[in-house]
Amino acid sequence: EAQVTQNPRYLITVTGKKLTVTCSQNMNHEYMSWYRQDPGLGLRQIYYSMNVEVTDKGDVPEGYKVSRKEKRNFPLILESPSPNQTSLYFCASSYSGTATRQFFGPGTRLTVL
Amino acid sequence: DQQVKQNSPSLSVQEGRISILNCDYTNSMFDYFLWYKKYPAEGPTFLISISSIKDKNEDGRFTVFLNKSAKHLSLHIVPSQPGDSAVYFCAASFSSGSARQLTFGSGTQLTVLP
Repeated sequence: EAQVTQNPRYLITVTGKKLTVTCSQNMNHEYMSWYRQDPGLGLRQIYYSMNVEVTDKGDVPEGYKVSRKEKRNFPLILESPSPNQTSLYFCASSYSGTATRQFFGPGTRLTVL
Repeated sequence: DQQVKQNSPSLSVQEGRISILNCDYTNSMFDYFLWYKKYPAEGPTFLISISSIKDKNEDGRFTVFLNKSAKHLSLHIVPSQPGDSAVYFCAASFSSGSARQLTFGSGTQLTVLP
């Protein structure tokens, strides 16, 4: 089954404790991206990757890191989480860029205390 | 500064009637627009898209209209069904194959009443 998976689905952590949210897709997609969803703001793009070893900032990259060492995986790293990073996070992938249909993961609900 | 705006946070419609969801954008460089639907506890799923070279695109019960001069697009659902109850996001991009960023609106919660 074609899908984007994220882990964990739910996470409660404390300020400053490094964490990683994993994202994996099995569709051989070139493009992957991370978004955060906040009330009244919709989805905002954090980082994206056009291909392996190629990543770039989206609209809200502060406090986040990403890496793309393999085509299928695109982890999101929070080196020192803060309460303003409490949000719902989605990973997405597509064949080529954002003008093609993106497939989204189920989301990760992160709470930073 | 939100470049893509959905000014109606919520909309309620009777089953069988038409649902019209609206979206406005400010960046005239956008030339590709998409609608995504989101159910609770799930990721968004692609619904329909339209390129700026068209003013209408249909897919079954779903039709998207684009008015470039007004920088406005709308999604029509006819007839509306209870299973259509979800949050609908419009999004804007560029049609280039190397388009990298997608800008979303804040979403509209559609409730279809049986």
